[in-house]
Amino acid sequence: AQTVTQSQPEMSVQEAETVTLSCTYDTSESDYYLFWYKQPPSRQMILVIRQEAYKQQNATENRFSVNFQKAAKSFSLKISDSQLGDAAMYFCAYRSAEGAQKLVFGQGTRLTINP
Amino acid sequence: ETGVTQTPRHLVMGMTNKKSLKCEQHLGHNAMYWYKQSAKKPLELMFVYNFKEQTENNSVPSRFSPECPNSSHLFLHLHTLQPEDSALYLCASSPGGKRDTQYFGPGTRLTVL
Repeated sequence: AQTVTQSQPEMSVQEAETVTLSCTYDTSESDYYLFWYKQPPSRQMILVIRQEAYKQQNATENRFSVNFQKAAKSFSLKISDSQLGDAAMYFCAYRSAEGAQKLVFGQGTRLTINP
Repeated sequence: ETGVTQTPRHLVMGMTNKKSLKCEQHLGHNAMYWYKQSAKKPLELMFVYNFKEQTENNSVPSRFSPECPNSSHLFLHLHTLQPEDSALYLCASSPGGKRDTQYFGPGTRLTVL
């Protein structure tokens, strides 16, 4: 079974600075998807970014980018120019490209932005 | 309304009550999901529906009974719950298929007394 591990329960960063959130996963599959979701205090789980395992190029979405290291099974999220609205729980998630549709989530990292 | 909506946003119920959670998606998706988010635990998938048919049940106790009358609506019927069932229940939808992305609703915060 696949597992996702986020080793940083909490992180903080100064506004306008850059922060990196870590995620590692375990799988024997070669084709899969990885996601970062953001859950602010409103509880709405919002998709931040998605990475396809067969693509070597790291995904980017405006100030958000990932460092996908397939051999190391690592998938970190970098947030540049941090803004107060980035404060939230961030969840890393894995989805197989075959078989079950379920997302396997990590435990989450709570990100605080200091003004 | 856009995206995925859930009602009610908050629910308090006794162990002998019967209640239902509702989810509606306005994205034209074909797959819908129920997840449970408990304190200090990762989100857990409960059920998956594709084109109104249940395709996954993640060993959920029978006191949780899902219903999917059409591709836009998903219900979770609750009866004889336990205090440990208190959690945030999240609904999600996706286009369907092996390479899709799930979009979540705001959740229902359930408290069982």
